Amino acid sequence: IAGITQAPTSQILAAGRRMTLRCTQDMRHNAMYWYRQDLGLGLRLIHYSNTAGTTGKGEVPDGYSVSRANTDDFPLTLASAVPSQTSVYFCASSEGGRLGDEQFFGPGTRLTVL
Amino acid sequence: GQNIDQPTEMTATEGAIVQINCTYQTSGFNGLFWYQQHAGEAPTFLSYNVLDGLEEKGRFSSFLSRSKGYSYLLLKELQMKDSASYLCAVRRLTTDSWGKFQFGAGTQVVVTP
Repeated sequence: IAGITQAPTSQILAAGRRMTLRCTQDMRHNAMYWYRQDLGLGLRLIHYSNTAGTTGKGEVPDGYSVSRANTDDFPLTLASAVPSQTSVYFCASSEGGRLGDEQFFGPGTRLTVL
Repeated sequence: GQNIDQPTEMTATEGAIVQINCTYQTSGFNGLFWYQQHAGEAPTFLSYNVLDGLEEKGRFSSFLSRSKGYSYLLLKELQMKDSASYLCAVRRLTTDSWGKFQFGAGTQVVVTP
């Protein structure tokens, strides 16, 4: 693995179903993030994690949950999907704690909720 | 509240220069980042400013004025492959994170032959 991977690449889901989007990084970065990207709205932060074992809420957390059991993995769960959660989801990571600390993004998951 | 504004779209000719402006209002400012995103792909990092002034990286330069809440990204000697969306992002220092990023909606740059 090089960088950040996400799975699945795309998914069509029935409303009400539970879904977990996976994210794995191999850069030993402390911080990880989940964003959704919608046309005209840009990237919006859903949840973040500073280090393994900690998580926090972003701008649009409702309907989503995350966990950070270890440094590498940061799954995003939709407990009961709704059509408004149709979006492209990006996972990102950064070293954390450095001033010019840029984020590295995964390839994204395109999710459609019907 | 936080607000980041950038133009929706700009068109320029191959070989020309384009300047993408970004204005922001935020508390706890801790850096301004520019990302490039090609259609259907992930954003990739271009540049970062935390102090006022110009940062140059090859064909790309970024400028910041913290007192004015203003930044621009300058793309020189435009190439067809520069056709992409350019995202302005502000990082805010908070007590509970290394820094939360807020992104503008992006500026779609179209390079024509």
